[in-house]
Amino acid sequence: SQQGEEDPQALSIQEGENATMNCSYKTSINNLQWYRQNSGRGLVHLILIRSNEREKHSGRLRVTLDTSKKSSSLLITASRAADTASYFCAALNQAGTALIFGKGTTLSVSS
Amino acid sequence: DVKVTQSSRYLVKRTGEKVFLECVQDMDHENMFWYRQDPGLGLRLIYFSYDVKMKEKGDIPEGYSVSREKKERFSLILESASTNQTSMYLCASREGSLARCTFGSGTRLTVV
Repeated sequence: SQQGEEDPQALSIQEGENATMNCSYKTSINNLQWYRQNSGRGLVHLILIRSNEREKHSGRLRVTLDTSKKSSSLLITASRAADTASYFCAALNQAGTALIFGKGTTLSVSS
Repeated sequence: DVKVTQSSRYLVKRTGEKVFLECVQDMDHENMFWYRQDPGLGLRLIYFSYDVKMKEKGDIPEGYSVSREKKERFSLILESASTNQTSMYLCASREGSLARCTFGSGTRLTVV
């Protein structure tokens, strides 16, 4: 019962370029969240966008949300090698009890 | 700083063994979760708990059980480990229904 689906599955860019990851989800949401996972580690929360928000910024991160299209995007500007990680979107399941994650986008930033 | 601690980073167990994965949070969160993560499948929810002694099945509960005797501790139990339970197991906790999750560092379990 996947709620979020990220696109692309993998992304390779050079340092200094921007990285854009997309997420589509299935049901109505209260909020959508983005997480980051460094290789072999737990997930770290990056940003939460509420259903009544269209855009949110945090440092080099910019998240947009389009509830009519049931989609969100995460933009990382001026990427660095340290941004290399997997990125996941997540939203509550239909019962509203637990976060359901997509399969993630693996970002590789080379110097 | 808030913390979710998983007792083991790496674990190797034999087929048929009973395995306990422990998770402790220091944030007084009501909700706790166990996920497993496999290549190409992402994170899948095994079980979660919204209060002491309360538990709910997630998407893939077969072969697992859980225990939450105290608010801060949520244990995942593999009753009889099998090789297809070789995976990365991630514990998380959350304060309210709309809040963000805090994850532990994960336990990479290998069943041989």
